[in-house]
Amino acid sequence: SQQGEEDPQALSIQEGENATMNCSYKTSINNLQWYRQNSGRGLVHLILIRSNEREKHSGRLRVTLDTSKKSSSLLITASRAADTASYFCATDASGYALNFGKGTSLLVTP
Amino acid sequence: EAQVTQNPRYLITVTGKKLTVTCSQNMNHEYMSWYRQDPGLGLRQIYYSMNVEVTDKGDVPEGYKVSRKEKRNFPLILESPSPNQTSLYFCASSLYGTATQYFGPGTRLTVL
Repeated sequence: SQQGEEDPQALSIQEGENATMNCSYKTSINNLQWYRQNSGRGLVHLILIRSNEREKHSGRLRVTLDTSKKSSSLLITASRAADTASYFCATDASGYALNFGKGTSLLVTP
Repeated sequence: EAQVTQNPRYLITVTGKKLTVTCSQNMNHEYMSWYRQDPGLGLRQIYYSMNVEVTDKGDVPEGYKVSRKEKRNFPLILESPSPNQTSLYFCASSLYGTATQYFGPGTRLTVL
């Protein structure tokens, strides 16, 4: 069953701008992960944040987690055209399987 | 190179004709799973396997079968495909169920 829900569904920005997408979920989690999918291809893992962490960085990516609000955000700074993709959050609420959201479609125009 | 491979990548078939989509990983992962991706519905898990000979249903298992006879392989079997199984299918593997997932390139299946 899907637990994570990304917002917005679609986002269009220009190169150089920052992109922020959010993920809300319903039950307590052990960890939350973000994945990227280029059109029709396999998902690629970006970052994992555990329930006892509040913020994590990886290159131009910054992920925050607010367990009290049951939400996470993914910030991509200084976006590039190559960042155009769909972004999914995946929550671990069960300990044995991830639940993926429906994704945010990001378009970065030159 | 560490990877998950799927075959075929594209398949067009007719209703009722049994088919198998193969999945293989070379990372010695314990956990493997199958997902389908449909517009507006996101990724939904079909079946997963925590280890050899151990498989379990995901969220949408109806119409599918799997087997895990070897650690590296996890084929997906559609014994009598129907048009509502037209979808993009992904195999994934990981050290354990909720660890970082490594996805295959996908198999686009069309059932006429």
